[in-house]
Formats: sequence, structure tokens, C-alpha cells
Amino acid sequence: NAGVTQTPKFRVLKTGQSMTLLCAQDMNHEYMYWYRQDPGMGLRLIHYSVGEGTTAKGEVPDGYNVSRLKKQNFLLGLESAAPSQTSVYFCASSYLKSRYEQYFGPGTRLTVT
Amino acid sequence: KQEVTQIPAALSVPEGENLVLNCSFTDSAIYNLQWFRQDPGKGLTSLLLIQSSQREQTSGRLNASLDKSSGRSTLYIAASQPGDSATYLCAVTLGVKAAGNKLTFGGGTRVLVKP
Repeated sequence: NAGVTQTPKFRVLKTGQSMTLLCAQDMNHEYMYWYRQDPGMGLRLIHYSVGEGTTAKGEVPDGYNVSRLKKQNFLLGLESAAPSQTSVYFCASSYLKSRYEQYFGPGTRLTVT
Repeated sequence: KQEVTQIPAALSVPEGENLVLNCSFTDSAIYNLQWFRQDPGKGLTSLLLIQSSQREQTSGRLNASLDKSSGRSTLYIAASQPGDSATYLCAVTLGVKAAGNKLTFGGGTRVLVKP
């Protein structure tokens, strides 16, 4: 099993550009999450999904959209990137049988200039 | 609102010494607590998960305790090694299924084990 994978690993955007981050998991997990990690702010939840076709807002959802068309994939979109979205983005997944233990991907380092 | 605190923010110990990392949370109605390790520039690796009904969990040199009533968890790492140098994060979930069993993270403790 590859576990949780994220694409791309690094990206540099200019202000106003758009992009999509892809998260994939091969563990058949129901729940998936997007977090961002910033110095001094810790890890904060952006959006999450409790199943295919469902999404919900987390703590810091503004400026992001998500979609979960397939159970194994969770996409995070930035429609018009801003310098405040410079961060490291982590995807995670979990399911009931693992007592909701969350498994994390390697992260995507995004810089918006 | 659940708040998770980890003190100290940084810790430096000589090799061989036992490590004691603290985590406190404000809402004792948790479902589980997870300890993670994060190496610089890397993702989070789950170390231990303790369910709310458990008092402790062990894996190799690692032992995590949980005292729900006082809102505290402690991660013990025995006989520390330079390879244990990393940031250690604790996180709790209230276990509300409809809310996605979201994790609330502490700020982490950065550990340096000196040879």
C-alpha cells in the first residue's frame, strides 16, 4: 500500500493564479482531511470529508474549495491564490476500524509570490 | 472550543536520558488522543493512539499515558537516541462522527537529543 500520497510536492504560484492539490489514499478510508501548517500557528483544518460526495468546512476554509468525487481522492483547489496561502498543506485519512487514527501524506509546499 | 497545549515548546537532552513530553487539553470529552512525530520538511508519522477508555499505550521505547479527567497526556521515550530528534505533536478528537472526527493539534515540542 502506498498509504496517503499528495501531488505535487512543491509549487510556486503567482498571486491570482489557480491550482489543485491532489490527495489519494489506497486504504479505503471513509474520512479525508486537508490541513495547513504554518510557523507559530500549528496545524489547522481547512476542509474535510466524511464520505464520497460529501465535504464540509473546517477551521480555515476561506479561499479554498474541495471535492471528493471518488472515495480514494480528495482535491483541494485554490481559485485565486494569495500570499497568505503560502504554507505546507497536508492531507490525511482515517476510518472507523482504525479507531479514526489519522494517517498523513508527505505534504505539499506551496509558495505564492 | 477544545484547546491543546504542549509545554515545553523545545527540549534538549543528552543521549540516553529519558524524554518526558507533556500535552494538556481543555475539554475532557475526547474520543482519542494521538501522538505524532514530524521530522523537518516531512509529514506526520503516527506514533501512538490512545482511546478515551485506555490509561496508557506502549510501543517499543514509547509509552503514552492518558488522564482524561485532568486533561493530560504524557509521552515517555526511554533511553533517547539522536535519531529521536524531531518535533512531537499531540492531537485529540472529540469523536463526533458528523463533524468528521476532527483532530485538534497542540503546537508541538521540538526535541534535540545530543550525542
